[in-house]
Amino acid sequence: TQLLEQSPQFLSIQEGENLTVYCNSSSVFSSLQWYRQEPGEGPVLLVTVVTGGEVKKLKRLTFQFGDARKDSSLHITAAQPGDTGLYLCAGAAGRFNKFYFGSGTKLNVKP
Amino acid sequence: EAGVVQSPRYKIIEKKQPVAFWCNPISGHNTLYWYLQNLGQGPELLIRYENEEAVDDSQLPKDRFSAERLKGVDSTLKIQPAELGDSAVYLCASSLRGEESYEQYFGPGTRLTVT
Repeated sequence: TQLLEQSPQFLSIQEGENLTVYCNSSSVFSSLQWYRQEPGEGPVLLVTVVTGGEVKKLKRLTFQFGDARKDSSLHITAAQPGDTGLYLCAGAAGRFNKFYFGSGTKLNVKP
Repeated sequence: EAGVVQSPRYKIIEKKQPVAFWCNPISGHNTLYWYLQNLGQGPELLIRYENEEAVDDSQLPKDRFSAERLKGVDSTLKIQPAELGDSAVYLCASSLRGEESYEQYFGPGTRLTVT
């Protein structure tokens, strides 16, 4: 059972469209991270959010941490083929700030 | 600056054989993680080291898995004997302790296939 549920699992869109990926849990996290992973590579950190309600923008990507620190969203504006990949959220909880990963959202942006 | 280095990148073995993976973290990073990633899933933590000390190995199947980080730098993860269900990608990551965000840098992983 995954502590973090991501939705949708798969997303295939045309270049230029907008999209939102969700990461939900019933648990509270001290921080939450979003990663992008390409085939044959390890995940690459995109952002870390630590405060409930926090919003961070990274060019066309907007990340939001829920007020209760149980959920997060990633919004991509005007998606490009280079955005294709597996998007993973990971929440930190517990004594050693252990990270729990979601199962990921596989995004395909078609040119 | 070199990233996290892992070897081998790919390994194919028969069941019941032993296998070992090696990881060299980013220079100066005292926290090291080993994760297992099954196809279509997110990574799951196997073990976490702070320097030489394994501070969280609760998810490591200790009957067949072992890990070490003798000098607080490189680490090896071993499986003996391997089972079919161990086929997965084994990821190593490192971070700098003391940062609140615990920003993790991942290596490319070792893809293990057990036949």
